[in-house]
Amino acid sequence: AQSVTQPDIHITVSEGASLELRCNYSYGATPYLFWYVQSPGQGLQLLLKYFSGDTLVQGIKGFEAEFKRSQSSFNLRKPSVHWSDAAEYFCAVAALTGANNLFFGTGTRLTVIP
Amino acid sequence: GAGVSQSPSNKVTEKGKDVELRCDPISGHTALYWYRQRLGQGLEFLIYFQGNSAPDKSGLPSDRFSAERTGESVSTLTIQRTQQEDSAVYLCASSLWESSYNEQFFGPGTRLTVL
Repeated sequence: AQSVTQPDIHITVSEGASLELRCNYSYGATPYLFWYVQSPGQGLQLLLKYFSGDTLVQGIKGFEAEFKRSQSSFNLRKPSVHWSDAAEYFCAVAALTGANNLFFGTGTRLTVIP
Repeated sequence: GAGVSQSPSNKVTEKGKDVELRCDPISGHTALYWYRQRLGQGLEFLIYFQGNSAPDKSGLPSDRFSAERTGESVSTLTIQRTQQEDSAVYLCASSLWESSYNEQFFGPGTRLTVL
């Protein structure tokens, strides 16, 4: 069965510093992977997705993620964090069968300090 | 165009009462999903609709939970005889059709608190 692990519950970074949020997945075939961001009082917004092809995918707001099959990872990165990036970040993998619903990790809360 | 909307944004109820949560998907989106987000946890899939049919109800946690959808429009999630463990944020999402190629667009959620 599909599952997603986000090992970091909370990360604090300084504004302007680089960021990497970890995500590991469990899936038998090539996964469809997603990163979503949830700001307070807002719905989830898709940052980027990976289906196939180039393992480095670019997303909105300057984020990118790299798919590494050998490590079953899909880590999210940003070279320079802005205060507005403070939010909850969720990694997800698609079911691909049946409902095609998403399986989410437990999320990583990002705090940005000045 | 308008995104996915949900109402109410907050709901406080007493244990044992029934509640109805509403979701208005993006116009033209045939697939609709309900998820539950408990405090400190990721989103948990509850149910999905393709049109007004719900082929997959496996995620519903108990028979106190039910959902319906009118055509390819509004969906209502009903929780009967609410329990404290039902307290969570209930999120609705819609997509063009039931394929992960199509992005799921999420509403802001309904925060349910059962006292």
